[in-house]
Amino acid sequence: GEQVEQRPPHLSVREGDSAIIICTYTDSATAYFSWYKQEAGAGLQLLMSVLSNVDRKEEQGLTVLLNKKDKRLSLNLTAAHPGDSAVYFCAVTPGTGGYKVVFGSGTRLLVSP
Amino acid sequence: EAGVTQSPRYAVLQEGQAVSFWCDPISGHDTLYWYQQPRDQGPQLLVYFRDEAVIDNSQLPSDRFSAVRPKGTNSTLKIQSAKQGDTATYLCASSLGRSQNTLYFGAGTRLSVL
Repeated sequence: GEQVEQRPPHLSVREGDSAIIICTYTDSATAYFSWYKQEAGAGLQLLMSVLSNVDRKEEQGLTVLLNKKDKRLSLNLTAAHPGDSAVYFCAVTPGTGGYKVVFGSGTRLLVSP
Repeated sequence: EAGVTQSPRYAVLQEGQAVSFWCDPISGHDTLYWYQQPRDQGPQLLVYFRDEAVIDNSQLPSDRFSAVRPKGTNSTLKIQSAKQGDTATYLCASSLGRSQNTLYFGAGTRLSVL
């Protein structure tokens, strides 16, 4: 089945710096890619999603890049602020066989003033 | 629009005790997921439903865990005889089950097994 690896597990940046999180996946038929944010004591909230026919998507200071050749998905917070401090997860949905969603192991981001 | 509701928020058990978790998904969402999230790890799928049918429960420890969604709306996840290794947050999520499959999560139930 699909395997997802996420790195780094911890990331510490200064306010205004960029923060980049990377996931790699194994199933070339993966159809849908998402990034979720989890704040302390809460469930996960969707940040952004892309279909497999999209290479790049930008929204409100976030950039998602999809490299299907290398099976790599990245999230770039272009100018992080302390409110971005949270745990971030990538998630992938296969193109066939239903709607099983597999998550990465998470990146704990700390943005200091 | 109401979000995904889970109860209880917290549970503390001794090993061998039973516990049930309840989830009320977003109205109209036909797909419902239960995930186990150990501390400092990503969510790991236990089971998911389409309406009342179990689609994938391959990661559900069937000797002690069970999950039902009898009317295709609310769902219950039960642990018959809890072990310390079951200590985790149990997350419920729902979706419309389409190709652009966005999951909406509840706040989770944090379980501690002593």
